[in-house]
Amino acid sequence: SQTIHQWPATLVQPVGSPLSLECTVEGTSNPNLYWYRQAAGRGLQLLFYSVGIGQISSEVPQNLSASRPQDRQFILSSKKLLLSDSGFYLCAWGRQGAGLQFFGPGTRLTVL
Amino acid sequence: RKEVEQDPGPFNVPEGATVAFNCTYSNSASQSFFWYRQDCRKEPKLLMSVYSSGNEDGRFTAQLNRASQYISLLIRDSKLSDSATYLCVVDGSSNTGKLIFGQGTTLQVKP
Repeated sequence: SQTIHQWPATLVQPVGSPLSLECTVEGTSNPNLYWYRQAAGRGLQLLFYSVGIGQISSEVPQNLSASRPQDRQFILSSKKLLLSDSGFYLCAWGRQGAGLQFFGPGTRLTVL
Repeated sequence: RKEVEQDPGPFNVPEGATVAFNCTYSNSASQSFFWYRQDCRKEPKLLMSVYSSGNEDGRFTAQLNRASQYISLLIRDSKLSDSATYLCVVDGSSNTGKLIFGQGTTLQVKP
């Protein structure tokens, strides 16, 4: 069966510090991968998606970047965090050509 | 107009009540429809897919009306454990598998 991991679960970072969040998927190959952010009391905002290694599409201009160095690894990064980067970051995977997505447990980021 | 619109609620209902949520979507080319459930401070989890003919899973019934571009979720005999936010989800671009999420409808079931 497929599983998706995210770490860390929670993170508190000062403004201006760097960020690296990791997501890995097991039990499937060549998945589509997605990064979402959910601000407090708000809906899910798609940040990045990837349909293959090294392929990243950005949905909204922002202070973040993403990379996919391996088939089942998706990384979200920032060089300098802003207060507005606080939120709940969710990684998801889906099969190529299928609509369903499955979410990891998320990382709750607080920028102070 | 938002791509997927839901009444945010909250819907406060007593245990045992029947409650219905509606959702409208703007892209008439959408082919896949889902309801996800999100508990407080947790990730969204798939509740059920929504098929054109309507489908039922225990106390949950989902309906799709393509002509009017709306999706519904009916919960019968509400339980305390049904308290959560319910997200209406519609597919975006098929080759990327992108999904469009509504903001969610919050349900609070009270004893």
